[in-house]
Amino acid sequence: GNSVTQMEGPVTLSEEAFLTINCTYTATGYPSLFWYVQYPGEGLQLLLKATKADDKGSNKGFEATYRKETTSFHLEKGSVQVSDSAVYFCALRRGGSYIPTFGRGTSLIVHP
Amino acid sequence: DAEITQSPRHKITETGRQVTLACHQTWNHNNMFWYRQDLGHGLRLIHYSYGVHDTNKGEVSDGYSVSRSNTEDLPLTLESAASSQTSVYFCASSEHYSNTGELFFGEGSRLTVL
Repeated sequence: GNSVTQMEGPVTLSEEAFLTINCTYTATGYPSLFWYVQYPGEGLQLLLKATKADDKGSNKGFEATYRKETTSFHLEKGSVQVSDSAVYFCALRRGGSYIPTFGRGTSLIVHP
Repeated sequence: DAEITQSPRHKITETGRQVTLACHQTWNHNNMFWYRQDLGHGLRLIHYSYGVHDTNKGEVSDGYSVSRSNTEDLPLTLESAASSQTSVYFCASSEHYSNTGELFFGEGSRLTVL
């Protein structure tokens, strides 16, 4: 079946540090891949997405590249801010299904 | 702007009581979902619907029910609330024929069962 594995958190960084949150997946075919972000007290919202191999999704300074050869979709940001403190969820959606598979989420805490 | 709203945002109830959480979306999406979020478990799918009068069980559906009488609403009912159902509940929706299937989430309903 489909699965998404994320690095366990919390990830604690100082402001302006480089961020990587690892995400690997297992799926048949060619799924679409997503990163969602959940700010404190809010629902999830889409951060970025990639629909085919080698696509790079980007938004708000975050990037992730769809790597089919390593079945990965790692989230990166060059310089984090305190306002980036949130929980980040990696997810996939296999073609033909309307139900995404979510990872367990990774909490990011950024200190001033 | 289109949106998805949940109510109530916070509720405290007693074991054995029936509870209904409302979800209303103005995106005109066919697909609607209910998730619960718990520490250590991430998001778990409770029920989902692909359209009016369609409902399906997710991975943790025991003790929950939904009904879909129109496109906009998918209320979640706990028939007899249990302490194990204390959680944060999220409703979400998506387009049926979207190329990517992005989900749009509500802000959540925090339920405490005493």
